[in-house]
Amino acid sequence: KNQVEQSPQSLIILEGKNCTLQCNYTVSPFSNLRWYKQDTGRGPVSLTIMTFSENTKSNGRYTATLDADTKQSSLHITASQLSDSASYICVVSGYALNFGKGTSLLVTP
Amino acid sequence: GAGVSQSPRYKVAKRGQDVALRCDPISGHVSLFWYQQALGQGPEFLTYFQNEAQLDKSGLPSDRFFAERPEGSVSTLKIQRTQQEDSAVYLCASSVQGLSYEQYFGPGTRLTVT
Repeated sequence: KNQVEQSPQSLIILEGKNCTLQCNYTVSPFSNLRWYKQDTGRGPVSLTIMTFSENTKSNGRYTATLDADTKQSSLHITASQLSDSASYICVVSGYALNFGKGTSLLVTP
Repeated sequence: GAGVSQSPRYKVAKRGQDVALRCDPISGHVSLFWYQQALGQGPEFLTYFQNEAQLDKSGLPSDRFFAERPEGSVSTLKIQRTQQEDSAVYLCASSVQGLSYEQYFGPGTRLTVT
């Protein structure tokens, strides 16, 4: 069964600190992996998309990594800001899109 | 507008009522997707259109759910005889074509069934 597992479920960090979110998947075949940011009450917005051959991709303070051998991905947020408070969703594309449940991040002053 | 729009943004229905949720995709986008997102969960796939053709409806939870996109642009998700478990945010997304391209999400419709 295709699954996407994210950890931690929730995270609280101080403004300015770094954090790393994890995504493990068992989707096959694999097409690409995306990270989305979803603010409360809004639709998800794409941060990065990576194919099988890509190991890392950055978008400003967001850096995603992908290890296709171990089927793991991470999203690293550098120098967090209050506006980073949101849910971060990992989505793995195979024959269909498989969504993780998300990690809820709260950045506090 | 430039993005995906959905209406209404909020809908309260009494159990047993029928509801219709509208999605206006980005102009020219061939593919359109509907998702259901329960509170605190990630989106769950419902159905997928390529132009007016419904290519995948495997995620629709019951035969009370019906989606259409008759002219290949605007789509409507209809839920008949709503139940409390239908309460969720219904997200619509569109892409240039297919699953390989970026999906752009609308703001969602929050449905509450009382």
